[in-house]
Amino acid sequence: DVKVTQSSRYLVKRTGEKVFLECVQDMDHENMFWYRQDPGLGLRLIYFSYDVKMKEKGDIPEGYSVSREKKERFSLILESASTNQTSMYLCASSFTGPEQYFGPGTRLTVT
Amino acid sequence: RKEVEQDPGPFNVPEGATVAFNCTYSNSASQSFFWYRQDCRKEPKLLMSVYSSGNEDGRFTAQLNRASQYISLLIRDSKLSDSATYLCVVRSGGGYQKVTFGTGTKLQVIP
Repeated sequence: DVKVTQSSRYLVKRTGEKVFLECVQDMDHENMFWYRQDPGLGLRLIYFSYDVKMKEKGDIPEGYSVSREKKERFSLILESASTNQTSMYLCASSFTGPEQYFGPGTRLTVT
Repeated sequence: RKEVEQDPGPFNVPEGATVAFNCTYSNSASQSFFWYRQDCRKEPKLLMSVYSSGNEDGRFTAQLNRASQYISLLIRDSKLSDSATYLCVVRSGGGYQKVTFGTGTKLQVIP
């Protein structure tokens, strides 16, 4: 079974803090993705990576950056957290096909 | 117009009923189509791919209508355990595995 894990299920941070969300997959997948999910807006792609050290902007990259130093790990960084970044963050990975496997999500609250 | 549109519901149906959801997509060049299921407070998981000729998996039938640019999901003999949000997912091609998620249709099966 594919396993995608995320570092925290729940996180509370203050405005202006730097936030790191970690994602690890154990299936040697090429592609990794970060989404946020908000009520009424669905899943929106923040960034994705199709190889180590490679990254591409998704639909809403502003306020975020990513890092992929190893194939199995994809990190999402909020440089200076703001209240409008309060959301559910979902990491996903895929091999060559479009089917994506998701982690359990991190519910981030920025106060 | 949104790339992928779904009726948010909720669809409240009695156990044993047949229910169908549609999902429309705007890009006529879209190549791959999927239905994902997301339980409350859980991550999305692939339910089934949608093939041009239509496909069936037990009580679930998925169909694609390219002329009208929509896909459908039919659930027969609804079970309480079918209660979830069903996400329509479309891949529009390109050199990477980016897909677009609909906002989901909520199904509640009532005893």
